[in-house]
Amino acid sequence: NAGVTQTPKFRILKIGQSMTLQCAQDMNHNYMYWYRQDPGMGLKLIYYSVGAGITDKGEVPNGYNVSRSTTEDFPLRLELAAPSQTSVYFCASTGQGKTEAFFGQGTRLTVV
Amino acid sequence: AQKITQTQPGMFVQEKEAVTLDCTYDTSDQSYGLFWYKQPSSGEMIFLIYQGSYDEQNATEGRYSLNFQKARKSANLVISASQLGDSAMYFCAMREPLNTGNQFYFGTGTSLTVIP
Repeated sequence: NAGVTQTPKFRILKIGQSMTLQCAQDMNHNYMYWYRQDPGMGLKLIYYSVGAGITDKGEVPNGYNVSRSTTEDFPLRLELAAPSQTSVYFCASTGQGKTEAFFGQGTRLTVV
Repeated sequence: AQKITQTQPGMFVQEKEAVTLDCTYDTSDQSYGLFWYKQPSSGEMIFLIYQGSYDEQNATEGRYSLNFQKARKSANLVISASQLGDSAMYFCAMREPLNTGNQFYFGTGTSLTVIP
């Protein structure tokens, strides 16, 4: 039972480069989320999705894009990476009702 | 206004003692869920305990219990018989099912250090 799988685990980007963080879940969850966690801070919501084909902005969406073509996958795209995007990124998913958010292992991104 | 407030940036507890981590929340919904997560230094987010807004009894999971005071809008985590492995960041979170996206709101966390 894989749960939520995020790749890569670590990445170093140069300023201006682009990349896609991959996220997949095998629990048939409708809801998926991308968070970023800056050092010593809590989690801030970047984007979320309530189902395939539906996405919406969270608290800190600037500089990011997402897509949700299938229930399983929710990739996060960084365009024109900036040092301010240095952070740990978490993908999470949840189902209906009293379920917790299931998290991926996180991606530690450094922009230099 | 902050949805989740954790006022203790850092806490220390002696091994085998109990410790309470504070969490207050802000919502106008009647239906919501409250969660606690543990984040060890390795970085993963580990779900600990859940309390529903309509649950009359405080939730318990092993050494973890949630002191739920609805009128005060507080959901404090109690860890009994602390162990060295409990040293970690702890996050309180709330889920509002009626809000778009079933979003989870997280507090800023409390860093717990267990002293041998």
